[in-house]
Amino acid sequence: NAGVTQTPKFQVLKTGQSMTLQCAQDMNHEYMSWYRQDPGMGLRLIHYSVGAGITDQGEVPNGYNVSRSTTEDFPLRLLSAAPSQTSVYFCASSNPPGQGTLGQPQHFGDGTRLSIL
Amino acid sequence: AQRVTQPEKLLSVFKGAPVELKCNYSYSGSPELFWYVQYSRQRLQLLLRHISRESIKGFTADLNKGETSFHLKKPFAQEEDSAMYYCALKSYGQNFVFGPGTRLSVLP
Repeated sequence: NAGVTQTPKFQVLKTGQSMTLQCAQDMNHEYMSWYRQDPGMGLRLIHYSVGAGITDQGEVPNGYNVSRSTTEDFPLRLLSAAPSQTSVYFCASSNPPGQGTLGQPQHFGDGTRLSIL
Repeated sequence: AQRVTQPEKLLSVFKGAPVELKCNYSYSGSPELFWYVQYSRQRLQLLLRHISRESIKGFTADLNKGETSFHLKKPFAQEEDSAMYYCALKSYGQNFVFGPGTRLSVLP
C-alpha cells in the first residue's frame, strides 16, 4: 500500500524556471491538498481539491497552480520559481467527514525539498 | 477565524521526565483536534485524534473546551520521542489548520 507518493524528493531550480511537483494517492481519497513547510511557520495550505475537477486556493496560493483531472493525481506547478518558494512541500489526502466525525485524518507524502537559487 | 497556537518552538526534557506539549485553538464551534508527529526528515504521521481517546506510544491528549486546549502529554519521555509535533484543527466544511509546531528534544 503506497499511500501518498510525491516526486521528486529533491529539486534545485534557478529563478524563473518552472516545474511540476507530482502527487499521487492510491486510497481513493476525495480530498487532496498541498502544503509548504517553513521553519517557525508550520504547514501552510497552498491549494486543495475536494474531488476530480474541483480545486480551490488555500492560504498561500500565489505563484502556484494545480489541477485535478483524476481522483489519484494532484500536481502542483510553479510557474516562475522565486527564491521565496524555497521550502519543503507536502501533499496530503483524506476522505470527507465520516458519519459522526468532522474530518478524517490526513495522510501525508514524504515531501519534496525544493531550493530556488 | 480558526487558529492553532503552540507557544513553545522548542521543548527540551531529560529522558524519563514528563513532557507536555501545549496546544490552544480558537474556534467557536466543536472542532476535531489532531496531533501529528514528524520524525527527522520523514513524513508527518497521525499520532492521535481526540475523538478516539486512545493512547499512542504512551502519549495522551485531552480536549478542554473551556480552555480551548488540546495539550499532548507523556509521563516518561524517551529519546525516540524527539521529533517535531504539530497540533491541527478541523472543523465542518473547513480545511485543516496546523499550528507552527513544537520541536521536542529528549536528552539522554
